[in-house]
Amino acid sequence: GEDVEQSLFLSVREGDSSVINCTYTDSSSTYLYWYKQEPGAGLQLLTYIFSNMDMKQDQRLTVLLNKKDKHLSLRIADTQTGDSAIYFCAESPYNQGGKLIFGQGTELSVKP
Amino acid sequence: EPEVTQTPSHQVTQMGQEVILRCVPISNHLYFYWYRQILGQKVEFLVSFYNNEISEKSEIFDDQFSVERPDGSNFTLKIRSTKLEDSAMYFCASARGGQVETQYFGPGTRLLVL
Repeated sequence: GEDVEQSLFLSVREGDSSVINCTYTDSSSTYLYWYKQEPGAGLQLLTYIFSNMDMKQDQRLTVLLNKKDKHLSLRIADTQTGDSAIYFCAESPYNQGGKLIFGQGTELSVKP
Repeated sequence: EPEVTQTPSHQVTQMGQEVILRCVPISNHLYFYWYRQILGQKVEFLVSFYNNEISEKSEIFDDQFSVERPDGSNFTLKIRSTKLEDSAMYFCASARGGQVETQYFGPGTRLLVL
């Protein structure tokens, strides 16, 4: 079945890089996404990667995709205290009405 | 920047009561979604809606749930007879297209069933 797994917590120091990892199961997923959720807020799209790409860079964010291992990661360079939030990985299985399957979210804590 | 809005932000209801959660998607979007997040659990897909009909629904979306686009701007989720286990944060999302288009999420409605 469809499943997305993430580690629950990550703690880093301000200025360090953060790497959040995700594994997924559905190889039909065309796009994979990273969403950010700040306290009391909705889900904000951070970035996405098309399944035929290995890497995508967007300012401080780098997404790496290993399709063979179904492994996705999000690297945040020069992590700031404002990056503290929950980060969700999501896949969108092919031909299922566009639904997103989310991981349980990784809570990133950035210490000054 | 256009955004998805949801009302109310919080709702408390008694078990067995009907609730209607409202969403205003981004105006030129054609695909609409509801998700829910029970406290401490994953965000779960409930239903997708396009061209005035449901295109996909999950096992959670049973006969107690319904969706409607009553006019050109609102998209609603109705729960006919709420149960304690319906307590969750409900998120609406919209997208311009289907499979490959980005979904934009609203801030959510926190529903508490007593």
